[in-house]
Amino acid sequence: QLQLQESGPGLVKPSETLSLTCTVSGGSITSSSHHWAWIRQPPGKGLEWIGSIYYSGKTYYNLSLKSRIIISVDTSKNQFSLKLSSVTATDTAMYYCAREESSRADYWGQGTLVTVSS
Amino acid sequence: QSALTQPASVSGSPGQSITISCTGTSSDVGYYNYVFWYQQYPGKAPKLMIYDVNNRPSGVSNRFSGSKSGNTASLTISGLQAEDEADYYCSSHTTSDTVVFGGGTKLTVL
Repeated sequence: QLQLQESGPGLVKPSETLSLTCTVSGGSITSSSHHWAWIRQPPGKGLEWIGSIYYSGKTYYNLSLKSRIIISVDTSKNQFSLKLSSVTATDTAMYYCAREESSRADYWGQGTLVTVSS
Repeated sequence: QSALTQPASVSGSPGQSITISCTGTSSDVGYYNYVFWYQQYPGKAPKLMIYDVNNRPSGVSNRFSGSKSGNTASLTISGLQAEDEADYYCSSHTTSDTVVFGGGTKLTVL
């Protein structure tokens, strides 16, 4: 059974860079049929797609966040990562990693709460 | 890349049917049949309920169904049950090769 697990700091200071990693187990991140995505949800609000990556390294980013995002993949560790720079309080959210097949997120991690605060 | 438009809330009594709409544009919902619906309980990760407009993943009840007309997609839940009370989100692939979500709809089972 495929499992995804987010990891990273739960507290980030304003103007700094948020860094999260998603570890995939029970399946290979080099699957040719899937992309790997980051999705976030501010407290009490809706879902926002951040971006996704293919195992080759090709990325797709939310245009509104594109200038601040880097998504990367480490196939040797079966992991992919998110870096979001210049964070503010509005970046406080539950961050989920997910597997995508034809844009549908069929497996999700449990999520990790990241708070931006000094 | 504006969010898809969903009603903030819908409600229904047990046994009834409800429909949640999801309105996009000709660059997302209206362009592709890549429309998806997710169910989310408080404190939990979303769960895929419908993919490609009207397909159910294995294990999802056939009480859940989807449809699309033009730029608007819909999720219908028939035979409402108490366990269906949750938040529901639509999403769609876009012509920019990105994904956009709806704002979410809170379903209350009366």
